Amino acid sequence: EVQLVESGGGLVQPGGSLRLSCAASGFTFKSYEMNWVRQAPGKGLEWVSYISSGGSTVYFADSVKGRFTISRDNAKNSLYLQMNSLRAEDTAVYFCASGYQLLSHWGRGTLVTVSS
Amino acid sequence: EIVMTQSPATLSVSPGERATLSCRASQSVSSNLAWYQQRPGQAPRLLIYGASTRATDIPGRFSGSGSGTEFTLTISSLQSEDFAVYYCQQYYNWPRTFGQGTKVEIK
Repeated sequence: EVQLVESGGGLVQPGGSLRLSCAASGFTFKSYEMNWVRQAPGKGLEWVSYISSGGSTVYFADSVKGRFTISRDNAKNSLYLQMNSLRAEDTAVYFCASGYQLLSHWGRGTLVTVSS
Repeated sequence: EIVMTQSPATLSVSPGERATLSCRASQSVSSNLAWYQQRPGQAPRLLIYGASTRATDIPGRFSGSGSGTEFTLTISSLQSEDFAVYYCQQYYNWPRTFGQGTKVEIK
């Protein structure tokens, strides 16, 4: 069974940093592209970032470009999102999701709250 | 960026009735369109991809149609577990973009 489990969320002050992790199991992680998608409280879904299976290609939404970094460790079956210079509008549940085009499998998400 | 617009925002339907949800793209996305279901407190789940192909284990009452800029998700006979929010997403180009969602609620 495919499982994606996010962690690392929490309360952080504006301007602060946070690193999210996503632990994958039940599939050959190194063969799959991965994404981060977020959902602000009571709002819709927003794609945040993508990384290719080998990690050489990455994309970001304009709203996070220059502040967020995506990476992966295929030996550890893990995906990461380094978030710097956080803003109040980054407050959301962050999901990791597998896939290049469609998002086939999703984790349950981790909540990031940016507030003073 | 391709803007995805869903309508209506909320759809009130009785159990057993048919629900029709719409999604429009600001430019052609060909058939590069997916639908997701999100129940309260849960992660989204892939329902439809390629505009009309059901994902694994998705019941036959869900169907998708359309191409180019106009798409439809139809739920033929609503079951209790189908009351949720539905999102369309284009994967024609980057950035991937979602519609704002349609909430299907019990009438």
